[in-house]
Amino acid sequence: AQTVTQSQPEMSVQEAETVTLSCTYDTSESNYYLFWYKQPPSRQMILVIRQEAYKQQNATENRFSVNFQKAAKSFSLKISDSQLGDTAMYFCAFMKVTGGGADGLTFGKGTHLIIQP
Amino acid sequence: NAGVTQTPKFQVLKTGQSMTLQCAQDMNHEYMSWYRQDPGMGLRLIHYSVGAGITDQGEVPNGYNVSRSTTEDFPLRLLSAAPSQTSVYFCASSYRISGANVLTFGAGSRLTVL
Repeated sequence: AQTVTQSQPEMSVQEAETVTLSCTYDTSESNYYLFWYKQPPSRQMILVIRQEAYKQQNATENRFSVNFQKAAKSFSLKISDSQLGDTAMYFCAFMKVTGGGADGLTFGKGTHLIIQP
Repeated sequence: NAGVTQTPKFQVLKTGQSMTLQCAQDMNHEYMSWYRQDPGMGLRLIHYSVGAGITDQGEVPNGYNVSRSTTEDFPLRLLSAAPSQTSVYFCASSYRISGANVLTFGAGSRLTVL
């Protein structure tokens, strides 16, 4: 079974600063995907970024980027030029890839990110 | 497109009552799943389905039943609700991008069992 650990229950930064959220995972799988999801107060789960384990290049989506260290089983999220709308719970998630396509997500417990004006 | 629609958004039950949380998607996704979210926890997989007529258990299936008679619908049934089932429930569906299932989530259903 896989486990995902987010060691920072809550973080607070000033608007426009850069912030990094940590995530580590444990798996014996070699083929998998990693995700960061954002959950604002509206409760909606929103995909932020996705990383395929077989790709060495770190994924980037506008102000969001990841630092994927496969050997260390680490998958951190960096948010640049943080905005008030980035205030949310952020969940790191793991998905193993199976031939049948039944790929459920294993989530970490989340990091509550607060962007201060 | 409506995406993934969950009903009801809020529900209060008494212990022992039964109810069904509805989930419908209009994206022709083959894969559908149910998660629960408890305070201080991430989402945990309850049941999932890879297509009509096929369902399987996730991490926390006890106390829940599912069925998948159509591609669009994937209801979650609580046969005898317990206080431990107080939670926020999310339905999600997916298609494949480059080999990965990218999930689209519904807005969630908050269930309170007294």
